Order: sequence, then C-alpha cells, then structure tokens
Amino acid sequence: EAQVTQNPRYLITVTGKKLTVTCSQNMNHEYMSWYRQDPGLGLRQIYYSMNVEVTDKGDVPEGYKVSRKEKRNFPLILESPSPNQTSLYFCASSTPFGANTEAFFGQGTRLTVV
Amino acid sequence: KNQVEQSPQSLIILEGKNCTLQCNYTVSPFSNLRWYKQDTGRGPVSLTIMTFSENTKSNGRYTATLDADTKQSSLHITASQLSDSASYICVVSENNAGNMLTFGGGTRLMVKP
Repeated sequence: EAQVTQNPRYLITVTGKKLTVTCSQNMNHEYMSWYRQDPGLGLRQIYYSMNVEVTDKGDVPEGYKVSRKEKRNFPLILESPSPNQTSLYFCASSTPFGANTEAFFGQGTRLTVV
Repeated sequence: KNQVEQSPQSLIILEGKNCTLQCNYTVSPFSNLRWYKQDTGRGPVSLTIMTFSENTKSNGRYTATLDADTKQSSLHITASQLSDSASYICVVSENNAGNMLTFGGGTRLMVKP
C-alpha cells in the first residue's frame, strides 16, 4: 500500500531538547516536504526536497532543519524546540509536480513544546 | 504574493443537503488546483485535481469546477453524509520547478443529522 509514514504521532517535549520527527515514503517519490498546521493559518511549508541531497526552505523554515540522505526518508529536526513550535506537522511526498501529480500526506505528528 | 482564499470558513448543514465551497486564487503561473479533505487530526486526502483546461471534475458525490479566467474554483457536495464532516482545503500549485504549493485556509464543514 502506497503511504507516507510519520513518527511519532504524538510528542510532548521540553524547551531546548533536540528532537527528530521521521518521515518515510514507499512510492519512490522524488519530492518530499514538511508542513505545519496551526489554527486559522492553514498549512504552511517548512522545507522541501526535490531529490536526494537537494533541500530548500519553504515559507516558515526558522528553527527547523531537514536532511535527505535517502530517497525514501526526510526527517525534520528541531535542534532547540521552543513553545511557538507547538503545532501539527505533516510530511508529504509526490512525483515532480506537473499537470496531474498528487501529494500524499502522512497522518501527522502533534508536537507540544512546554 | 500568491494567495488562496476559501469561503466560507465554516459551514453547518443538515444530512442529505447539498453545499458548495468556494476557492479564489491569485497563484501565477498556474499549474493545477486540488481539493483535499482533511478529517480532524489526520493528513489531507486528495479529492480532485484540475488543470488549466478542465472545467469540471467529479469524484462520487464531490464535483469540482474551475474557471481559470476568473481564478475561481468551487467544490459541490451532493446529498451530504455525516462522514463528510471535515475540513476541505483548496491547494494551488505554480507552474515552475520550485514545486510550490499554496494552501487555502480551508472550510470546516459539519454535517448534522
């Protein structure tokens, strides 16, 4: 079954404690991205990657890092989490965007930073 | 700046009734427009994808329309069911190599028995 898998689904952490949210896809997609979703703000892109070792900033990259060492994995790293990073995070993957490509989303990671 | 505006922000309807959600965008150059359904706390799931040349596309009880001249799209839900309660998100992609998606804020639909 084609899917995007995020882990963990829920995470509560303290300010400043480094954490990593993993994302893996089994569709051999080149393009992967991370979003955060906050009430009233919709989905905002944090980082995206067009292929292995190719990453770029989205709209809200501050406080986040990513890496793309393998095609299937695209972890999101918070080196020093702060309370304003409390949010619902989604990873997505797709083939390079064209007329009919589709983005597949993971189930989400709800992060709380206290 | 590219924008996608959706209306209404929220909507309550009775089971069995029809409804129409609106999406206006300023994204340019335009590549395609997607409607996603997002259940609470879950990832968005694609309903329809429409390109510049497509005016209407259906997926079961969901019908999307696109007017590329006025940069407007609508999602019509027919004979609503309780399971249609969700957020519906309009997403427009640019026709460039950057793969940028612009998301609307979503319409939160509640279907009541």
